[in-house]
Amino acid sequence: DSGVTQTPKHLITATGQRVTLRCSPRSGDLSVYWYQQSLDQGLQFLIQYYNGEERAKGNILERFSAQQFPDLHSELNLSSLELGDSALYFCASSSRGQGVDEQYFGPGTRLTVT
Amino acid sequence: GQNIDQPTEMTATEGAIVQINCTYQTSGFNGLFWYQQHAGEAPTFLSYNVLDGLEEKGRFSSFLSRSKGYSYLLLKELQMKDSASYLCAVRSFLSNSGYALNFGKGTSLLVTP
Repeated sequence: DSGVTQTPKHLITATGQRVTLRCSPRSGDLSVYWYQQSLDQGLQFLIQYYNGEERAKGNILERFSAQQFPDLHSELNLSSLELGDSALYFCASSSRGQGVDEQYFGPGTRLTVT
Repeated sequence: GQNIDQPTEMTATEGAIVQINCTYQTSGFNGLFWYQQHAGEAPTFLSYNVLDGLEEKGRFSSFLSRSKGYSYLLLKELQMKDSASYLCAVRSFLSNSGYALNFGKGTSLLVTP
């Protein structure tokens, strides 16, 4: 158990819908990262937040957005869902966002868009 | 941009040694990580290299050559539970906005009896 929690574990929804994925980092970690993992693309970095502010952006679509709240939990919002958005979404946290700063991954949310 | 290459699959025998290679091209290099991921589970951290050389951690070692854009993960005394995907990840500095960790597609290692 990494100490990072994600809800829900599974989500099934239809095309065009909007969903919100939630992540709580390890106690004391200030940095939260979101990743998408699909079979053909591997693990893709989406976005990083540090202490409530956006720190780095990867290959995140405009239909996707995220935020980190004052209690440091984070939410990833996915809208106008397409079949290709079906994937495993991981959240990770780290203490500082730089240096060795290993990332601890949550168990993931499996999103299925039908 | 990022280009991280590692073999798709490898097979090795229990008790043996296996080396998983990773080559990368990036700007703003700020460290290389290896993660282990069992099917359907979250990746778990194995090692980190930011300077050239070998880092040893029990049965696992990782090597980095920044000039060659090359790293390898060495697994010794293989056990059946080592069957998993091994992900090479490069952290790069993004100007004005921090760091990004970009992953290779992973090497699926099968350990056989």
